Amino acid sequence: LAKTTQPISMDSYEGQEVNITCSHNNIATNDYITWYQQFPSQGPRFIIQGYKTKVTNEVASLFIPADRKSSTLSLPRVSLSDTAVYYCLVALSGYSTLTFGKGTMLLVSP
Amino acid sequence: GEEVAQTPKHLVRGEGQKAKLYCAPIKGHSYVFWYQQVLKNEFKFLISFQNENVFDETGMPKERFSAKCLPNSPCSLEIQATKLEDSAVYFCASTPSGAGMEQYFGPGTRLTVT
Repeated sequence: LAKTTQPISMDSYEGQEVNITCSHNNIATNDYITWYQQFPSQGPRFIIQGYKTKVTNEVASLFIPADRKSSTLSLPRVSLSDTAVYYCLVALSGYSTLTFGKGTMLLVSP
Repeated sequence: GEEVAQTPKHLVRGEGQKAKLYCAPIKGHSYVFWYQQVLKNEFKFLISFQNENVFDETGMPKERFSAKCLPNSPCSLEIQATKLEDSAVYFCASTPSGAGMEQYFGPGTRLTVT
């Protein structure tokens, strides 16, 4: 499974766009990229998944360059409730064991 | 139901005692996973099931940990003779067949071994 590297923490203010970048230099051809969010005392929650280019859903966008060695989770106009840990994961689609890294602690301030 | 349920929420055991955790996956989900979160943000995969069959147990410390997913019963994770280092939050997740990386996590069981 490809190892991921992401910033330990990030700070932002309400209403700003937040971009969290994840590095996965040894991603394999069949690997997919997925992001999870975890609030304190809760289980992780799936945010978004992609293979290449751009994926958008109602809460976030995922940008994946052509070489797929990195990906960026974009959260538009964050609010205080977006304060959480965000995990970037890489795994074979259909092979379901998730390998979590240390995640990025996002702190959103008023 | 639409949520993964885990019981108990908290469990305290003296070192050497047995601990048993339960997980009710979302109805219709074929795969169940157990993860251990020891320190803040550090997860470890333990075991997964496809229906009642073990799918992947590469993360299980087999000498003290065991798990089952029997038909019409909650899945269970049992730790015999708990050790201090077993103190962690144990998460169960489920996913329908083919959904791969989109897993639905329960709220976790916090095990404290004293």
